Amino acid sequence: GQNIDQPTEMTATEGAIVQINCTYQTSGFNGLFWYQQHAGEAPTFLSYNVLDGLEEKGRFSSFLSRSKGYSYLLLKELQMKDSASYLCAVRDWAGANNLFFGTGTRLTVIP
Amino acid sequence: EPEVTQTPSHQVTQMGQEVILRCVPISNHLYFYWYRQILGQKVEFLVSFYNNEISEKSEIFDDQFSVERPDGSNFTLKIRSTKLEDSAMYFCAKQQGSGEQYFGPGTRLTVT
Repeated sequence: GQNIDQPTEMTATEGAIVQINCTYQTSGFNGLFWYQQHAGEAPTFLSYNVLDGLEEKGRFSSFLSRSKGYSYLLLKELQMKDSASYLCAVRDWAGANNLFFGTGTRLTVIP
Repeated sequence: EPEVTQTPSHQVTQMGQEVILRCVPISNHLYFYWYRQILGQKVEFLVSFYNNEISEKSEIFDDQFSVERPDGSNFTLKIRSTKLEDSAMYFCAKQQGSGEQYFGPGTRLTVT
């Protein structure tokens, strides 16, 4: 089976840095994905890690440790528009590349 | 960013009725997926479709669901006899060669 855990909610201040953690236990592993989802909208792709280490993409970075079953998403220079849910998802090697999602972390950015 | 369109954006139907949700990828891809998200809950995988055949399906994807690519372009999800618990956002997604999955805007299905 698949088990993906993320904090339910986080609050951070505009201009700050926030780290959203994700731990996973899955039967197979072929990559970890982070998506942003604003209320009432579709998930938007942010990043994808398949190997250990840090992937940087502008203000967003994502880290993966396969041995620990752990990932984090780092958001720098927070803006009000970053208030959204952040979804961690794992691709199961045994399947047809479909994604298994965590429940998401709702981030609120305050002035 | 690759585009996927979905129609309708919102569908209201009565319990027991059939609904067809449509997905139109802008460019040709081999892998397509349907996911759903019940309000306030996580995104759940329904079915994957590869090379015009079902590749994988979840426990949610029971006999009342079916997928087709009727004309080689549109990609449809049919729910034969809707139930109240089918009310959700339904997302179509396609996969790039690098493995990234991009979601369409979704169809909000409301079953009354």
